[in-house]
Amino acid sequence: SQQGEEDPQALSIQEGENATMNCSYKTSINNLQWYRQNSGRGLVHLILIRSNEREKHSGRLRVTLDTSKKSSSLLITASRAADTASYFCTSGGTSYDKVIFGPGTSLSVIP
Amino acid sequence: NAGVTQTPKFQVLKTGQSMTLQCAQDMNHEYMSWYRQDPGMGLRLIHYSVGAGITDQGEVPNGYNVSRSTTEDFPLRLLSAAPSQTSVYFCASSFTGDSGIAQHFGDGTRLSIL
Repeated sequence: SQQGEEDPQALSIQEGENATMNCSYKTSINNLQWYRQNSGRGLVHLILIRSNEREKHSGRLRVTLDTSKKSSSLLITASRAADTASYFCTSGGTSYDKVIFGPGTSLSVIP
Repeated sequence: NAGVTQTPKFQVLKTGQSMTLQCAQDMNHEYMSWYRQDPGMGLRLIHYSVGAGITDQGEVPNGYNVSRSTTEDFPLRLLSAAPSQTSVYFCASSFTGDSGIAQHFGDGTRLSIL
């Protein structure tokens, strides 16, 4: 199994600002995924980046991966109040294994 | 297409009671799993299954049983409920074969044990 750990634990920004959160992991990975959890709801998959990719974009989301530092970052540009949520990362190996999540980053976007 | 359906949405139990949390998916996913999430915390994996007839323990399996008799269903059983099991329980599913596959989550079961 593989697990990522998110940093910071909590982040508060003004609407329109960019939000950056980080994920660190310990072993070699095949891919890394980011999920969002709105209050009281299940997790929703946001984006996946594979180990041979360095950067990936999806709308206002930008994910980077640095395998030499075993870390990833999720950037949300021009944040909105609706981006208020917890964000989790999880990493995967080359074969299928149980999926474990880190403690998450709680993002608050203030209107 | 319903996705992952969890029932019930809310449940209150007394200490020592037993109950089964239901999880069903209609996407023909091989992989299914159960997590618990305590207030202000991340998700902890309880049990998971990579296919019908196959189950395995996660991070916090004690006090919980699972079975996987069909691809669609993955019920979680609390044998003798304890206050420490008060939590929100999430079920998730996905295809296997490639570890980089998105998990689909249900909306959770909120369980309180008095």
